[in-house]
Amino acid sequence: SQTIHQWPATLVQPVGSPLSLECTVEGTSNPNLYWYRQAAGRGLQLLFYSVGIGQISSEVPQNLSASRPQDRQFILSSKKLLLSDSGFYLCAWSKGTYGYTFGSGTRLTVV
Amino acid sequence: DQQVKQNSPSLSVQEGRISILNCDYTNSMFDYFLWYKKYPAEGPTFLISISSIKDKNEDGRFTVFLNKSAKHLSLHIVPSQPGDSAVYFCAASDQGAQKLVFGQGTRLTINP
Repeated sequence: SQTIHQWPATLVQPVGSPLSLECTVEGTSNPNLYWYRQAAGRGLQLLFYSVGIGQISSEVPQNLSASRPQDRQFILSSKKLLLSDSGFYLCAWSKGTYGYTFGSGTRLTVV
Repeated sequence: DQQVKQNSPSLSVQEGRISILNCDYTNSMFDYFLWYKKYPAEGPTFLISISSIKDKNEDGRFTVFLNKSAKHLSLHIVPSQPGDSAVYFCAASDQGAQKLVFGQGTRLTINP
């Protein structure tokens, strides 16, 4: 069966520090991978998605970047965090558009 | 531009009664709609979906209705149970896209 792992679960980082969140999927090959963010009191905003290794689509201009170095690995990064980067970050995978499966999320607090 | 909208940020319902969550969309190319349920500090989990060729889909206590002419869908939960208290997200996609567009979510509280 397929599983998705996302870590860490919580993270407190100072402003200006770098960020690296990792997501891996098991039990499937060539999945579509997604990074979403839920800011306080807001909905799920799509940040990046990838349909293959090295293929990244960015949905909104921001302080973040994403990479997919391996088929089932998706990394969200920042060189210098801003206060506005605080939120709940979710990784998800799918085969095609339907049937997203989400990871358990990372609560990022930038202080 | 918010293509999927959930205009009610919160809803409170008595246990045993019907919960109705609403969602509106603007993109006429959307052909598949989903509802996700999210507990605090967890990822959303899939609840129920509907294709645009249907106007109703049922799964146990959950029913989703789609009104294409009004670009509106709703989720009915009958009877509502305390474990249904969560944030519910409506999502939509079109066949050519590789991504889901989510609404802002509605926090449902079921009162005993």
